[in-house]
Amino acid sequence: DSGVTQTPKHLITATGQRVTLRCSPRSGDLSVYWYQQSLDQGLQFLIQYYNGEERAKGNILERFSAQQFPDLHSELNLSSLELGDSALYFCASSVETGGGRYTFGSGTRLTVV
Amino acid sequence: GEDVEQSLFLSVREGDSSVINCTYTDSSSTYLYWYKQEPGAGLQLLTYIFSNMDMKQDQRLTVLLNKKDKHLSLRIADTQTGDSAIYFCAEIQAGGYNKLIFGAGTRLAVHP
Repeated sequence: DSGVTQTPKHLITATGQRVTLRCSPRSGDLSVYWYQQSLDQGLQFLIQYYNGEERAKGNILERFSAQQFPDLHSELNLSSLELGDSALYFCASSVETGGGRYTFGSGTRLTVV
Repeated sequence: GEDVEQSLFLSVREGDSSVINCTYTDSSSTYLYWYKQEPGAGLQLLTYIFSNMDMKQDQRLTVLLNKKDKHLSLRIADTQTGDSAIYFCAEIQAGGYNKLIFGAGTRLAVHP
């Protein structure tokens, strides 16, 4: 158990729908990161939050958004879903912003049909 | 630009040592990482090394860092069938960003 909890583990939804993925970071970690893993793109960084504030943004689509709450858990919202959004979505956490122990959750597998 | 490169496949005999190699581009990376991903599973952090270190050892794992050549390697001693997985090398992007840049992963196959 990495200490990073992601729910749900699997999600199947239709095109055009909206879903919310949830992540609880490892105890004591203030930074939360979201990544997408797909067969054609590999592992891609989406966005980072540190103590409730957005810190860095990667290849995140405008249809996607995220936030980090006061209790430090984070949610990734994916809307107007397309078939190409099917992927494994990972959350990771670290105690600091610049690296160190950078731990991943087990991921949410999203299938858009 | 950003690029982390790894060979895609490695096959070893059970009990032998495995060496997985990686080259990265950002000479100012502060941390470099090795992750393991088993089929259908998440990314397990195996080990990480700070850029001012040349070597780190943790039980069967040895990480070597050559900053001059921007080369990172992971050696697994006494490789077991349970070590079969995809191994990802990653560097943390310097310059105020906090994202990990991943290689494409090396698939390690361990055979008897």
